[in-house]
Amino acid sequence: GDSVTQMEGPVTLSEEAFLTINCTYTATGYPSLFWYVQYPGEGLQLLLKATKADDKGSNKGFEATYRKETTSFHLEKGSVQVSDSAVYFCALSDQPNISNFGNEKLTFGTGTRLTIIP
Amino acid sequence: NAGVTQTPKFQVLKTGQSMTLQCAQDMNHEYMSWYRQDPGMGLRLIHYSVGAGITDQGEVPNGYNVSRSTTEDFPLRLLSAAPSQTSVYFCASSSPGRPEAFFGQGTRLTVV
Repeated sequence: GDSVTQMEGPVTLSEEAFLTINCTYTATGYPSLFWYVQYPGEGLQLLLKATKADDKGSNKGFEATYRKETTSFHLEKGSVQVSDSAVYFCALSDQPNISNFGNEKLTFGTGTRLTIIP
Repeated sequence: NAGVTQTPKFQVLKTGQSMTLQCAQDMNHEYMSWYRQDPGMGLRLIHYSVGAGITDQGEVPNGYNVSRSTTEDFPLRLLSAAPSQTSVYFCASSSPGRPEAFFGQGTRLTVV
C-alpha cells in the first residue's frame, strides 16, 4: 500500500538558518504530493503541492520538488523565521491514472515538529 | 466564509458512552473525510465519502460509524467509546479534480 516516510523530529534551528525536512514515499499509481503545516492549536493548512514528476511547489519561501526517480519530496527554506515554528506533514494522494485527481484519501507522514529560536 | 466547521472542540467521555462528532462544510465539496491524529503516527484515515449517500472505510474504521445524508454534513459516531479512541479528530473536505483538502480545527477527545 501507499506510505510516506518523513524525517523524525523535533528539529530546532536558529532564525535565518537553512531548513530541510526529508520526505520519501511509496505509491502504486500516480500520486500527488503535499506539505501541510499545523500551527499550535489549529487544523492543517496546505503549504504547497506538486501533482506530477519534476513539479516544484512553493509558498511562503518554502519549496519542494517532486522527484520520481528518488521517490522524494523534501521541504526546504533558505532562511527560517520564528513564525515558521509548527508541525509539518508530508502527504500523498494516490490516483489510478494521471488525470484522475482525488484527495479524499490522503496518506500522511508522522509529522516533524519544527522550533525556530531567535 | 466558514470553511470546515467541527464541533465540539473538546470532549471527555467515559468508557462505553456514545457520541457524535459533527463536521459541516460550506464549500459545496463532494468529498469529505475523517482522520485521527495520534502522537508519532501522523494522521490516519477513518472513513471517507465521495458524495451524499456514499461512504467507505479508511485505514482505521473499527469503532466508528459515518453517514452522509447531505453534501454539507459528515458526522462521525462513536457507539461505545474506548480509551484507545482518545485522539484528536480532524474532518476534511475537497473537490474531485482539485488537489487541495481543507481541514477543520479538530476535536480533542479524551476517553476515561
